[in-house]
Parts: sequence; C-alpha cells; structure tokens
Amino acid sequence: DTEVTQTPKHLVMGMTNKKSLKCEQHMGHRAMYWYKQKAKKPPELMFVYSYEKLSINESVPSRFSPECPNSSLLNLHLHALQPEDSALYLCASSPEVTGYQPQHFGDGTRLSIL
Amino acid sequence: ILNVEQSPQSLHVQEGDSTNFTCSFPSSNFYALHWYRWETAKSPEALFVMTLNGDEKKKGRISATLNTKEGYSYLYIKGSQPEDSATYLCAFDTDKLIFGTGTRLQVFP
Repeated sequence: DTEVTQTPKHLVMGMTNKKSLKCEQHMGHRAMYWYKQKAKKPPELMFVYSYEKLSINESVPSRFSPECPNSSLLNLHLHALQPEDSALYLCASSPEVTGYQPQHFGDGTRLSIL
Repeated sequence: ILNVEQSPQSLHVQEGDSTNFTCSFPSSNFYALHWYRWETAKSPEALFVMTLNGDEKKKGRISATLNTKEGYSYLYIKGSQPEDSATYLCAFDTDKLIFGTGTRLQVFP
C-alpha cells in the first residue's frame, strides 16, 4: 500500500467545471510535489512545496492552482481545463527538498477533460 | 534543456534471464541519480538514490552502478521473474527530478 494517498483515482470533467485533486501523506515529510504524466512520456514536474510554501512552479498555466493547507495535505485546484490537460496527475512527498532522498509517490489521479 | 535518456525503450525476456538497461544523463553539475520501478496501475516505487561516482547499490536481485564522469548508470536484474515486469525510470536530480522516458520490461514465464 502506498503511503501517499491521492483522491479521486479517476476524474472526468468538462472544460467549464471546477474540481480539486487531493493528496495526503502522514510520514512527516516537508516536501510535496505535483507531477503530470502523459501516455508514453515521463512524469513532468509541475509544483514543489517546501514547508507548506510554494518553492517551484514550472511555468504551469494558471488554470492549475496548487494549495498546501498543512504539512500533510496538498491540493490541486482545476478550473477551465483544456482537453490536452487530460493526463495522470501524480503527487509525491519526500523528507526535504534536497537530493539523496527518494520521493514517495501516490497512485495518481487519471483526469479526462471532455 | 537537460536530457535524460534510457535504453532500450522496451525489453522482453524469459523468466530466469538476467538483463540490464542504461540511463544517460549530463555529466556536469551532478548531484544524484534516482531509479524507480513503476508497475502498471501502481505508484512509482523508489529503488535507489545514487550519489557518488563508482557507487554500486543492491536490493535483492536488482543492482545499479553509477559513472558520473561519463554520465551513465546501469540497472541490472539477475534471474528475472514475471513480477519484475514494470517500467524502470531513472531521474536526474538537480533542484528537481528530471525523468528519463523509462525502459519497459516484460518477463515471460
């Protein structure tokens, strides 16, 4: 069982909908990440939070809005998405945002935009 | 743009065969190299984090080596089993992980 829990597992939404993806970890990790993975491509980093503050935004469009309400939770708010945003969204955590430490991944949310 | 390449893209082996695949990464400004194993419908699982030139790490039948001067890492699986079937991803660690495209391994009984 993964120690990083993502909900929902699947999400289908229209381009005008607003929805949120949730990620939770109870390992005491202080770094949390959102990745986007398209079919047959590697995961691509979207956002990094360190100690609940946004530390990296990889020039992600503003229709994706991350939020870290506390050290265990990471949300990704979605609004006015485009069909090309359909992908697997992975959340990960690590003890700190430094090297030498593996990231622990959730199972992902598979998002489909109609 | 940093390039992390993995080869081969896919590999089919018989149960009991040993296999290996390669991850190539920039040889300058090296910090760490990660290996992950990703089974279908599951989450990526960390295998190794390698930091020093000449590092060798082992976990059961899986081992990895690292050459930071020439910019490559090898992952070896000894006596492959069907449960080893997965995509193996390497990731070059700068201030973030840059993943390779992965090697998809299928082990047939």
